Amino acid sequence: DGGITQSPKYLFRKEGQNVTLSCEQNLNHDAMYWYRQDPGQGLRLIYYSQIVNDFQKGDIAEGYSVSREKKESFPLTVTSAQKNPTAFYLCASSIGDYYQETQYFGPGTRLLVL
Amino acid sequence: QKEVEQDPGPLSVPEGAIVSLNCTYSNSAFQYFMWYRQYSRKGPELLMYTYSSGNKEDGRFTAQVDKSSKYISLFIRDSQPSDSATYLCAMSANSWGKLQFGAGTQVVVTP
Repeated sequence: DGGITQSPKYLFRKEGQNVTLSCEQNLNHDAMYWYRQDPGQGLRLIYYSQIVNDFQKGDIAEGYSVSREKKESFPLTVTSAQKNPTAFYLCASSIGDYYQETQYFGPGTRLLVL
Repeated sequence: QKEVEQDPGPLSVPEGAIVSLNCTYSNSAFQYFMWYRQYSRKGPELLMYTYSSGNKEDGRFTAQVDKSSKYISLFIRDSQPSDSATYLCAMSANSWGKLQFGAGTQVVVTP
């Protein structure tokens, strides 16, 4: 089956700890995205990547980092600099320039702070 | 003021009723409008994609855009319990542009 997988489903972070959220797609999509979803705020773009080895900051990149070493993978690291990391994190992918019509979302990772 | 406003609900309707959802926006440059459905603890899925003003119909779903009023709507006819979800609107100035999302409206369809 083609699709996007995210792991883990739930993740717990301790104070001062960096954690990494996994996102893998087998849709052969060029572009990948990370969004954060908070209650009452909709989705906000953290980072996006149009091509391997290249990525750009979204609206709320502070405290996050990404890498795009393979077309299929776009992991997100939530660093200790992110002071309010509790949220639902969604990864998405799309066919390049037609991303609005072809953007598929993964099932999400819920991050909680201990 | 948020660029896209959406009533969070919850909106509760009996099975078979028409569900009416809407979003208002402030940026007159928005031309591309989308509606997503998101089930609890899942990722959103695209329901409707429209350009500029007018209506678009797909099965039980109808999307309307009124750019003069900066107002978009989604109607769900003959609602089913399986339509119970959160519905998110999103919009952009360009077909390649960054999306601005509404906060989402929770819909509950009761049998």
